[in-house]
Amino acid sequence: AQKITQTQPGMFVQEKEAVTLDCTYDTSDPSYGLFWYKQPSSGEMIFLIYQGSYDQQNATEGRYSLNFQKARKSANLVISASQLGDSAMYFCAMREGLRSNFGNEKLTFGTGTRLTIIP
Amino acid sequence: DSGVTQTPKHLITATGQRVTLRCSPRSGDLSVYWYQQSLDQGLQFLIQYYNGEERAKGNILERFSAQQFPDLHSELNLSSLELGDSALYFCASSPHRDRAYNEQFFGPGTRLTVL
Repeated sequence: AQKITQTQPGMFVQEKEAVTLDCTYDTSDPSYGLFWYKQPSSGEMIFLIYQGSYDQQNATEGRYSLNFQKARKSANLVISASQLGDSAMYFCAMREGLRSNFGNEKLTFGTGTRLTIIP
Repeated sequence: DSGVTQTPKHLITATGQRVTLRCSPRSGDLSVYWYQQSLDQGLQFLIQYYNGEERAKGNILERFSAQQFPDLHSELNLSSLELGDSALYFCASSPHRDRAYNEQFFGPGTRLTVL
């Protein structure tokens, strides 16, 4: 089974609108972390936001927020007031064993969503 | 700019050859990770080093090997190259702060083309 599933291969959104990128995950480990990365056309991977499985509140970082629904095993990224510069690939990733596997910080990535912002 | 450097940016070589990819982590980061991004397999974790020691291993082929040196830079060696090894190879580094997670900072990648 896929550990990270991103069901939207591509999305088109009007500039200034909010956008939600879906991510569901599969793990039996109670201690895990979820990450979102952005990959512009230039190729580099940019860290956006993190959510821990024990965090009480949904993470926020500027225009990025994470809609974390633990029971549904989903960690959707919300981008508010989208900008042309938000056009990129977005990857959801998970690290398992936060408390049991110290030092092993392997990230498992989803297949990504290509977001295109339309002016 | 993440502070992680990778050389070379592009590499074109032939099947059967051997190449070495180099990574310098951010100043002070002890962990180095290697990832492979290809159209077929997506973004896959290969291996992690922490302060010179191998810490975690992913789907790394036996033809591939890596090491981290005392100055913390790392090299990924790919040998007996095949067409399917063509990919973007990322190096990432992370600090080890006293908290539950450490974000990984990615380098710009080395694009390997095997002809």
